[in-house]
Amino acid sequence: GAGVSQTPSNKVTEKGKYVELRCDPISGHTALYWYRQSLGQGPEFLIYFQGTGAADDSGLPNDRFFAVRPEGSVSTLKIQRTERGDSAVYLCASSQTSGRANEQFFGPGTRLTVL
Amino acid sequence: GDSVTQMEGPVTLSEEAFLTINCTYTATGYPSLFWYVQYPGEGLQLLLKATKADDKGSNKGFEATYRKETTSFHLEKGSVQVSDSAVYFCALGLNTGFQKLVFGTGTRLLVSP
Repeated sequence: GAGVSQTPSNKVTEKGKYVELRCDPISGHTALYWYRQSLGQGPEFLIYFQGTGAADDSGLPNDRFFAVRPEGSVSTLKIQRTERGDSAVYLCASSQTSGRANEQFFGPGTRLTVL
Repeated sequence: GDSVTQMEGPVTLSEEAFLTINCTYTATGYPSLFWYVQYPGEGLQLLLKATKADDKGSNKGFEATYRKETTSFHLEKGSVQVSDSAVYFCALGLNTGFQKLVFGTGTRLLVSP
């Protein structure tokens, strides 16, 4: 079946602009995660959704970052007033449930470049 | 806080050589441990996992054992292939009601023929 998909694959924007990054999880997966991977680093947790609600947003770096999942499937990560330091690969993952051993399946990521 | 430390790369090996990539962790409680792999141009894939102490995860000839006494989860493979060239990430899963993953910085493996 189809895996996690993310669009766009690449996004170049200017400092101060607003961007939206989209994630389509695997069908039927109730848990959805966003991570950010900076160059030369491992992914860092941003936010977790169980269904439609953001159950843990402790990883969002500041209030310029916001994410939604209105129907419990597709999620959008929104970044306002982008800064050069926001440049990174944004990864989305989904899992069947949120349980201890449930595998998270990752999408290919969106590479965001802020000029 | 909770963290993962893995050896810096790149690790350069000849085909059929033995591989070890070291990983140690710091965590409260009893995390699950994972190795993820990222092949060139592809997304992160789960390679193997272990959910409790002394468990051994294995897949595609790779193995790692959850060692609580040394807080380690070293990745090993007896004979690497060129196709194993990739970036390997060690991660721990914090059981905070959901599986919140904390990743190491990754180790690049380069295998030459």
